[in-house]
Amino acid sequence: DAGVIQSPRHEVTEMGQEVTLRCKPISGHNSLFWYRQTMMRGLELLIYFNNNVPIDDSGMPEDRFSAKMPNASFSTLKIQPSEPRDSAVYFCASSLLGFGTEAFFGQGTRLTVV
Amino acid sequence: KQEVTQIPAALSVPEGENLVLNCSFTDSAIYNLQWFRQDPGKGLTSLLLIQSSQREQTSGRLNASLDKSSGRSTLYIAASQSGDSATYLCAVRSDTDKLIFGTGTRLQVFP
Repeated sequence: DAGVIQSPRHEVTEMGQEVTLRCKPISGHNSLFWYRQTMMRGLELLIYFNNNVPIDDSGMPEDRFSAKMPNASFSTLKIQPSEPRDSAVYFCASSLLGFGTEAFFGQGTRLTVV
Repeated sequence: KQEVTQIPAALSVPEGENLVLNCSFTDSAIYNLQWFRQDPGKGLTSLLLIQSSQREQTSGRLNASLDKSSGRSTLYIAASQSGDSATYLCAVRSDTDKLIFGTGTRLQVFP
């Protein structure tokens, strides 16, 4: 398996524009997590899905952020409108459902909002 | 609310030294603990996974221990090499199924 695949790897956008980040989890995994990493706050959990259903979105910072998982092999994180303070590295991770399972991370999307 | 802390925040050692990285968590009701490595500008690579029923796990020069009752885990790196230089992160998985990360230890191993 190619692992967790995220796209794009880098995104530079202007303030106010819509940004969509994409994630393909490892085949067969049924839990998916979105994280944001910044120097100031480290790794923050934004939202996670089990079997394509959002379970906890309490980490989503504002209504400008939304995430979807239309099927088991694809998820998106959307920011609309984007702001400079959204600049960060966004990671997607997946695992098998179950509390004892190992999580695997994608390479991340580095977002810069100017 | 689960909080995960890692000490030290940064560490610089010469090659060949054995070293210990520490991870502590406030809620002992965890299901597992995972250690990751992150190289600059890269993603997270899973190093070791310890289930709550286990005391330790080993992979090559790495050994991770878990004391759930005291809320602590340590990552032991034997005979450190310059290639070990990276940021090391621990994360705990609790009954909410969330994976909560520590702040990381930035390790520099110099020749």
